[in-house]
Amino acid sequence: AQSVTQLDSQVPVFEEAPVELRCNYSSSVSVYLFWYVQYPNQGLQLLLKYLSGSTLVKGINGFEAEFNKSQTSFHLRKPSVHISDTAEYFCAVSDEVQGAQKLVFGQGTRLTINP
Amino acid sequence: NAGVTQTPKFQVLKTGQSMTLQCAQDMNHNSMYWYRQDPGMGLRLIYYSASEGTTDKGEVPNGYNVSRLNKREFSLRLESAAPSQTSVYFCASRRGNEQYFGPGTRLTVT
Repeated sequence: AQSVTQLDSQVPVFEEAPVELRCNYSSSVSVYLFWYVQYPNQGLQLLLKYLSGSTLVKGINGFEAEFNKSQTSFHLRKPSVHISDTAEYFCAVSDEVQGAQKLVFGQGTRLTINP
Repeated sequence: NAGVTQTPKFQVLKTGQSMTLQCAQDMNHNSMYWYRQDPGMGLRLIYYSASEGTTDKGEVPNGYNVSRLNKREFSLRLESAAPSQTSVYFCASRRGNEQYFGPGTRLTVT
């Protein structure tokens, strides 16, 4: 069975500082990895995804993530955060991208940007 | 193009009451999903529909039923609500490998 662990439930950072949100997964088969963002009182939207190929993937709003198979990690990074990045971030894994694509989500990390 | 819409936005039920959460998408997507979001637990899949006419259980289906009414609409029914079903419910549809989420329904069962 697949599972996702987000190691930090809350991450406070100052504006313009770098940030890393950590995600570890477990899966016995091929994995496809995603980061979704949820702004206050909204649904989730896709930030970025890893399906195959280059292990460094870039997403929207200046975020990027690196797939590390040996460490079973998919950490999300941004070199300089903005107040508007305040949101909850979810890492998710799926073992298929065709068919049903059932996502398994982590617990979420609340990112708070302080001025 | 409204994307994924959900009704109602908020609902309060008493234990034992029933209700249906509505979801519609106007993007002509085949697959649709229902999730619940609880603090500290992320999102968990309740039911999904890979295509019109099919539905399957997800991780936490107990206490729920679904109907894929047509390609656009996928409803979630609580037959006899319980306080453990207090949650925020999200509907999503999928194109390719991206899921598109609705704004959610906040349900409280007292």
